[in-house]
Amino acid sequence: SQQGEEDPQALSIQEGENATMNCSYKTSINNLQWYRQNSGRGLVHLILIRSNEREKHSGRLRVTLDTSKKSSSLLITASRAADTASYFCATATGGGADGLTFGKGTHLIIQP
Amino acid sequence: NAGVTQTPKFQVLKTGQSMTLQCAQDMNHNSMYWYRQDPGMGLRLIYYSASEGTTDKGEVPNGYNVSRLNKREFSLRLESAAPSQTSVYFCASSGSRREKLFFGSGTQLSVL
Repeated sequence: SQQGEEDPQALSIQEGENATMNCSYKTSINNLQWYRQNSGRGLVHLILIRSNEREKHSGRLRVTLDTSKKSSSLLITASRAADTASYFCATATGGGADGLTFGKGTHLIIQP
Repeated sequence: NAGVTQTPKFQVLKTGQSMTLQCAQDMNHNSMYWYRQDPGMGLRLIYYSASEGTTDKGEVPNGYNVSRLNKREFSLRLESAAPSQTSVYFCASSGSRREKLFFGSGTQLSVL
């Protein structure tokens, strides 16, 4: 079953604009992670935010986490054509099976 | 650094045939994972291995077997392939459970 669900499913913006995508999840988490996947490639880890953190930055990326609403957002500022990719949120729960549970992803297209 | 290496990159099987997907990591990670990615479904965990000598089922283990040959290698076997197993398969590893995952480049498998 899907733990995380990204919104929107697809997003197209102009180069230089900011891109925001959201993730909602169902059960309590230990941490939440965001990954990027370029077409035909494997996933690449972007950022991890723990359940006791509210905001985290990495370069042009800003991630927020609201555990009361069970949601997270990923903001990419000053987008570039190279940011065109699919973005996935993944959650880690405290118990049960190991591994991360991934959402279905947001496909981001940056128009030059 | 090679990271996570998967072979083969592409494979076409007939229904009922068997095959093994190979995965090796050179980062001395304890945990290794097999995921499948289907259009519109995100990634789903098939099996994982938290340490050498241990394996556990994930969300979608039916029709698959795994072997953790040593700390570096984690293979996935399809004993009797079915069209429903047509998918892209990703191997991943991590140094700590439920932390950052490193992915291979994937195996695109078609079962006719």
